[in-house]
Amino acid sequence: GAVVSQHPSRVICKSGTSVKIECRSLDFQATTMFWYRQFPKQSLMLMATSNEGSKATYEQGVEKDKFLINHASLTLSTLTVTSAHPEDSSFYICSARGRLNSGRVGTQYFGPGTRLLVL
Amino acid sequence: GIQVEQSPPDLILQEGANSTLRCNFSDSVNNLQWFHQNPWGQLINLFYIPSGTKQNGRLSATTVATERYSLLYISSSQTTDSGVYFCAVPGANNLFFGTGTRLTVIP
Repeated sequence: GAVVSQHPSRVICKSGTSVKIECRSLDFQATTMFWYRQFPKQSLMLMATSNEGSKATYEQGVEKDKFLINHASLTLSTLTVTSAHPEDSSFYICSARGRLNSGRVGTQYFGPGTRLLVL
Repeated sequence: GIQVEQSPPDLILQEGANSTLRCNFSDSVNNLQWFHQNPWGQLINLFYIPSGTKQNGRLSATTVATERYSLLYISSSQTTDSGVYFCAVPGANNLFFGTGTRLTVIP
């Protein structure tokens, strides 16, 4: 089945630094990628949706200048947390979805997540 | 957006016991998914179940779309079943996740 990878799996950084998380679809072309954030013991909350070649659409309350999303190719999206602070510590999960030959949207596959700890 | 509530929020079972997890959603949907998030955070799709009943081994799921709820049954639970179970329903362009049920199976 389709696989979505994320790198790194975990990262610890100092407050004020920027962190980049990569999300790759390994065996299909992801026309749409999603970024979720999950705080401890909470559900997944959608942060933004990006379509290849266009700007990401951010959910209400998510700062687009703080969480930079780039979806430059059909297999790669990146999330950059700029000037990270301890409150940004969370589990970040990406998801990718392609398009079937019929034109209908395909299954949404999830990456293994990236655990970010900002000291 | 669609509201998706799950119950119970937490569940502790003795190994071998059976359990039922519930997912209520606030609007009509054309699909529903059940996921298991393992202790390492990976989401594993269990079922696509817009209506009716499906079974896969010790797990089965039933969705009653007209009454806006779905049930996940786990029989003869094992310690490897521990984790968080989410249901999710599609919105216009994304999935809305439920509040989750955290299951702990003790030996």
